[in-house]
Order: sequence, then C-alpha cells, then structure tokens
Amino acid sequence: NAGVMQNPRHLVRRRGQEARLRCSPMKGHSHVYWYRQLPEEGLKFMVYLQKENIIDESGMPKERFSAEFPKEGPSILRIQQVVRGDSAAYFCASSPGVGSGANVLTFGAGSRLTVL
Amino acid sequence: TQLLEQSPQFLSIQEGENLTVYCNSSSVFSSLQWYRQEPGEGPVLLVTVVTGGEVKKLKRLTFQFGDARKDSSLHITAAQPGDTGLYLCAAPNYGQNFVFGPGTRLSVLP
Repeated sequence: NAGVMQNPRHLVRRRGQEARLRCSPMKGHSHVYWYRQLPEEGLKFMVYLQKENIIDESGMPKERFSAEFPKEGPSILRIQQVVRGDSAAYFCASSPGVGSGANVLTFGAGSRLTVL
Repeated sequence: TQLLEQSPQFLSIQEGENLTVYCNSSSVFSSLQWYRQEPGEGPVLLVTVVTGGEVKKLKRLTFQFGDARKDSSLHITAAQPGDTGLYLCAAPNYGQNFVFGPGTRLSVLP
C-alpha cells in the first residue's frame, strides 16, 4: 500500500526553464494538495484539487504556476520560466475527502527544486 | 485565510527534560492536527483533535485541544533525541484547504 509518491525528489533547473513536479496520491484518495516550504519555514498552501477540478488555488501565484489532476495519472505542478525565488521544497498531500479520514492529510516526501 | 501561530519558534533542550509547545489562533476550528517533520522528509500526522477540551496521549506525547477550539498544546515528557524535528499544527481553512502554523523546531540534545 504505497503512500503518496512524488517525483522527482530533486530537480535542478536554470532560470527560464520549466519545472514539472508529479504527485501520485494514496490509493483511494481523490483529493490532492500542494504546499511549498522554504528553508526553516512552515508549509504554505498553494492549490487543492480533486480529479479534473481545481477546488482552491488561492495560494498559487497568478503567473507561471499551474496545477492539474487529470482523470488518469498523477497530479502535476508546473512552474514555467523558473526564477531563483522558486527554489523550495514542494510537498504534495492527499486525502480521501470523505468518510472518517476525510480531513487527514498524508504527505509525500517532497520535491526539492533548485534554480541556478 | 485563518491563521495559526506557534510558540516557541525554536526550542533546544537536554534529553530527559519535559517541554510544551503551543498552537494558537483567533479563529475557531472544527478540528486541529499535529504533524512532525524530519529533515528531508514530508510531515507525518501525529494526532487529530476534534472536541473542545479533548486530551489525547501518544506514548510520551500529550495533546490538548482548547475548550473554545482556538488553541492546542503538545506536551512531551522525558524528551529523547528521536523527538527532534519540526512540529507543525494544522487546521481546515473554511473547509477548502488546510492551513499550517510556522512550526516549532525542537532539538533534543543527548
């Protein structure tokens, strides 16, 4: 019973390139959340998705960032034209959304983006 | 967005000591969660508290949810080096997502 799988674990990009981070939720989980964490800081909410729907993207920058959770396949967080300030750890979490564990988040190990 | 504050921000203690960390808000929450995050890893859920005044124990960890459901505390008895990590509290934010506090970074020295 695999947990939340994120890849790549580490990604290095030069300024102006694109970064794609992938997240496969736990089996049976239909809700996915993306958070960003800067060194020595807490988690900042970015976006909340269900299959094929963005529920809340209030924490996501309006430009260069996008997220999707297609009917088939992993959720993807895409950052276009990366800048040094995008360097951070990006965590994905999933939840079942309904039932007794509806509000329980299970996190992946994170993807660490470094922009040179 | 509802905000969570945590204190202290940093805490360094000797093995065997007791400690308490706090999570506070001006908002009322339907539930509150505590997570521990170790370096290079994602946060791991420790406990969820739901009822005002609720106390939950997890081995040497005691969690309490305030009567008004605006605050929570985590008490660790006889801390061990394995307790070292970032302790985060989190709560549902108007049901749309989860808001996290900034965390308490605990270091337990042998």
